Amino acid sequence: AQSVTQLGSHVSVSEGALVLLRCNYSSSVPPYLFWYVQYPNQGLQLLLKYTSAATLVKGINGFEAEFKKSETSFHLTKPSAHMSDAAEYFCAVMYGGSQGNLIFGKGTKLSVKP
Amino acid sequence: DTGVSQDPRHKITKRGQNVTFRCDPISEHNRLYWYRQTLGQGPEFLTYFQNEAQLEKSRLLSDRFSAERPKGSFSTLEIQRTEQGDSAMYLCASSHESGEQYFGPGTRLTVT
Repeated sequence: AQSVTQLGSHVSVSEGALVLLRCNYSSSVPPYLFWYVQYPNQGLQLLLKYTSAATLVKGINGFEAEFKKSETSFHLTKPSAHMSDAAEYFCAVMYGGSQGNLIFGKGTKLSVKP
Repeated sequence: DTGVSQDPRHKITKRGQNVTFRCDPISEHNRLYWYRQTLGQGPEFLTYFQNEAQLEKSRLLSDRFSAERPKGSFSTLEIQRTEQGDSAMYLCASSHESGEQYFGPGTRLTVT
């Protein structure tokens, strides 16, 4: 079955440090890939998406992600963490072009220390 | 653009009761999705509409669950004879041709 794996259920960084959240997908056919952020008691907000164009995708709030087919990975990075980045981050894949449902990873909770 | 809205935001019900949730998608979006999210997990797909047609249902959607989208606008998700295992956040999302799904704030269901 198709799946998404997010390594590390909890990541803690200092303010100003690099943020790296890992995501791997299981498929030989590159899907569409997404990162979403969820703040407590809220819905999900789209950060960025990959749909087979440029492999380095820039999103909102200074986040970016790089699609690496050879590693079946789509890791999320941000050069310098802010306190406001503390939230839960979900990686998701969509198969079947733009018409499929999303398959989510279990999420990574990001904490930012002052 | 007012975004996806869901009502109610919170619902507490007793086991065995029926509940209904409503989702209003972004107005020009023809696709509407329902997901369920339990504590510590990512959202799981339940069902999907294109306009008024329900095109796909997950096996997670037992016979006690039913969803409708009359006239291809808002959607409702009904759970009959609720069980404690139904306690979760129910998320609605809508999308257009680009495939980007925009999520509502969710309805948190607690079954006591």
